[in-house]
Amino acid sequence: SYELTQPGAVSVAPGQTARITCGGDNIGIKNVHWYQQKPGQAPVLVIYRDTNRPSGIPERFSGSKSGNTATLTISTAQAGDEAAYYCHVWDSSTAVFGAGTEVTVL
Amino acid sequence: QVQLVESGGGLVKPGGSLRLSCAASGFSFNDYYMNWIRQAPGKGLEWISYISSTGSTIYYANSVKGRFTISRDNSKNSLYLQMSSLTVEDTAVYYCVRGYRYYFDQWGQGTLVSVS
Repeated sequence: SYELTQPGAVSVAPGQTARITCGGDNIGIKNVHWYQQKPGQAPVLVIYRDTNRPSGIPERFSGSKSGNTATLTISTAQAGDEAAYYCHVWDSSTAVFGAGTEVTVL
Repeated sequence: QVQLVESGGGLVKPGGSLRLSCAASGFSFNDYYMNWIRQAPGKGLEWISYISSTGSTIYYANSVKGRFTISRDNSKNSLYLQMSSLTVEDTAVYYCVRGYRYYFDQWGQGTLVSVS
């Protein structure tokens, strides 16, 4: 079955840039989406189709993809960005999530 | 505004059954495909089922195939998940999730299913 690989945790200082990677076979030909989940809350879509930001999501959130890796970048990180972040693709009629990356702002 | 409100969760014994419901409002329900996605305590997200806007196409994760049945009633703006042969591994928060193109753009707040 298809797998997406994310780092378990990323730490970033306030005001600095956090980068969260998501790796998978042939991810370059798939649409990658990213979700933010804060403790006790439902996930929220922050990036869709690799690079697109839904309305209401700050410009500090951006997505990119190169080779077999997609990246979610959080610029000028704030305390409110502390959350788990999940990448997602579709593979053979199955939705696949990465295991999630816990982002700590400290 | 878009609302997805799940109900039907609770405590059930192993081997038992449960039916989850999701009431949708604030959008044209029959224009969207829908999904159930779950999250075990302290774990990540697991997609478990998809149903097309008309209900004609359905997919399941291997972990629930043959035990869970997804359905929808567009006249009632409602999504359902019939769960049977439940095991402790099915303990999770179950989210009703709207799909658009290839991504999940709206999530309910979830309903907790505990199998014990």
